[in-house]
Amino acid sequence: ETGVTQSPTHLIKTRGQQVTLRCSSQSGHNTVSWYQQALGQGPQFIFQYYREEENGRGNFPPRFSGLQFPNYSSELNVNALELDDSALYLCASSLAGTSTDTQYFGPGTRLTVL
Amino acid sequence: EDKVVQSPLSLVVHEGDTVTLNCSYEVTNFRSLLWYKQEKKAPTFLFMLTSSGIEKKSGRLSSILDKKELFSILNITATQTGDSAVYLCAVARTSGTYKYIFGTGTRLKVLA
Repeated sequence: ETGVTQSPTHLIKTRGQQVTLRCSSQSGHNTVSWYQQALGQGPQFIFQYYREEENGRGNFPPRFSGLQFPNYSSELNVNALELDDSALYLCASSLAGTSTDTQYFGPGTRLTVL
Repeated sequence: EDKVVQSPLSLVVHEGDTVTLNCSYEVTNFRSLLWYKQEKKAPTFLFMLTSSGIEKKSGRLSSILDKKELFSILNITATQTGDSAVYLCAVARTSGTYKYIFGTGTRLKVLA
């Protein structure tokens, strides 16, 4: 157990809908990264938040957006869902500085888009 | 194009065997290389490597980085069925579009 939690565990949506996924960081961690992992693939970096600001972004369209709150928890929002958005969404928390890359992952949210 | 390539894609061994997993990378603005173990959902952190030639060890697992030849290996000795998992290699970058680039993983199955 890493202390990183995500909700919900599973989610089923239809094309065109919007979804919000949530992540609570490990205690003391101030940086959160979000990843999309398709079946049989490695995680793809979506973006990272540090002190409530986006601090790096992968090659994902603007309909993928995020927020980080003062308590360092975070949300991932996806608008206008597409079938290809079906994946496991992982968040990972870390402490900025020399340990930034030592990320601790949550259990993920499995999103299915029909 | 930046990429991280892992080999083999999958591996089946028997308990007690030693395995070597490979990770090669072509990534600009390299900062560190990380290894993770993914059993069900959440990848769990194994090692972070930043310097060439310095082996990191944790029990039966060890890893080393070669920044000249751009690769890393993860060794697991005396494998156990509990080592069955997907092992992911990732490279962290100092800047660029992707801060972290993951390989597709090596699926290891250890038979009793």
